[in-house]
Amino acid sequence: KAGVTQTPRYLIKTRGQQVTLSCSPISGHRSVSWYQQTPGQGLQFLFEYFSETQRNKGNFPGRFSGRQFSNSRSEMNVSTLELGDSALYLCASSSVTGFNEKLFFGSGTQLSVL
Amino acid sequence: GNSVTQMEGPVTLSEEAFLTINCTYTATGYPSLFWYVQYPGEGLQLLLKATKADDKGSNKGFEATYRKETTSFHLEKGSVQVSDSAVYFCALSLRDYKLSFGAGTTVTVRA
Repeated sequence: KAGVTQTPRYLIKTRGQQVTLSCSPISGHRSVSWYQQTPGQGLQFLFEYFSETQRNKGNFPGRFSGRQFSNSRSEMNVSTLELGDSALYLCASSSVTGFNEKLFFGSGTQLSVL
Repeated sequence: GNSVTQMEGPVTLSEEAFLTINCTYTATGYPSLFWYVQYPGEGLQLLLKATKADDKGSNKGFEATYRKETTSFHLEKGSVQVSDSAVYFCALSLRDYKLSFGAGTTVTVRA
């Protein structure tokens, strides 16, 4: 069974640009979560989707948005990039309908904003 | 708010040494507690969990007990191996579809 797949693996953007990251969950998993990982702030929750509905959202500005498609694949978008958005963005999926007891993480997309 | 505090690293040990990583939490309500591990070059993976007070999670020789009275979930292993070198994250969830993670503790085990 394939794991969580995130594309691209690396991205380099400049300030003011926008970026879209993609996540394909494990087959059969309907919940997808996104986390931002930085050396200073650690792992911070961005949002979680289940069956195309956002069930929770972290404390990030509106420049960060996401969506989930009917096949459970998910994308997150960051508009008007800032230097501080440089981070590893992790996607995780879960097979549990309710409370996510076990998340399966992808290897992440490393975003560098210059 | 809800938060997790882990002991700062890095931690360097010799093989067969005893490992303890302290984790304490603050939460409104009764969280579920987790330890996730990130091996070099790999994604985060669940190591163990406990969902209520006095539960003990265990996996791969690691153990952690949910202590409500001390709001702690310390990770322990009696005899570490080089393959245990990784970053360890303590986390909590209030069943609101998100995890709150600690800062992570880097563990290096030397042969």
